[in-house]
Amino acid sequence: DAKTTQPPSMDCAEGRAANLPCNHSTISGNEYVYWYRQIHSQGPQYIIHGLKNNETNEMASLIITEDRKSSTLILPHATLRDTAVYYCIVRGIYSGAGSYQLTFGKGTKLSVIP
Amino acid sequence: NAGVTQTPKFRILKIGQSMTLQCTQDMNHNYMYWYRQDPGMGLKLIYYSVGAGITDKGEVPNGYNVSRSTTEDFPLRLELAAPSQTSVYFCASSYKRDTSYEQYFGPGTRLTVT
Repeated sequence: DAKTTQPPSMDCAEGRAANLPCNHSTISGNEYVYWYRQIHSQGPQYIIHGLKNNETNEMASLIITEDRKSSTLILPHATLRDTAVYYCIVRGIYSGAGSYQLTFGKGTKLSVIP
Repeated sequence: NAGVTQTPKFRILKIGQSMTLQCTQDMNHNYMYWYRQDPGMGLKLIYYSVGAGITDKGEVPNGYNVSRSTTEDFPLRLELAAPSQTSVYFCASSYKRDTSYEQYFGPGTRLTVT
């Protein structure tokens, strides 16, 4: 799986959009970009994933650049409950056993400020 | 659905003791995983299973054992506990839906070995 680079921390004002960047310059054509978050002391929570098209769900939007070397997770109206560590993960879809592992780095600690 | 449940929530072990961390999921997922998370770090995969009767090592399997006799349960066994095993342990499960391998995590077990 391709390596990802994220800033260690970011702040965002409550009610504003939070834009979390992720670099994955070595991503290959069959690798997806996943985002998870971990609220303090809890298990990680799936947010969204995408291949090359922009994606949106009830939690967030994912914008992937045309060359797929970077992406941005957007929380449109950040609340205090969005304070968490956000993990960007790149992984491929393989057919063999063990294809489903996620490799978590240190992520970005997002602090939403009142 | 209760999702992924883990017991106990907290445990203190003495060096050399053994214990089993329990993990149960009620979503009928084939794939299950055990991760550990050391302070300030991302998650590391210990063992995983792609179905009942099938298990395999992850990134950091030394000092641990697993079994998968049913779809629902995936216990993690620690033999001869060492201080290096002080960590938070997360169990997760997933299924394949189209291109998505969303993993659902339990609340974690906080283990201290002294």
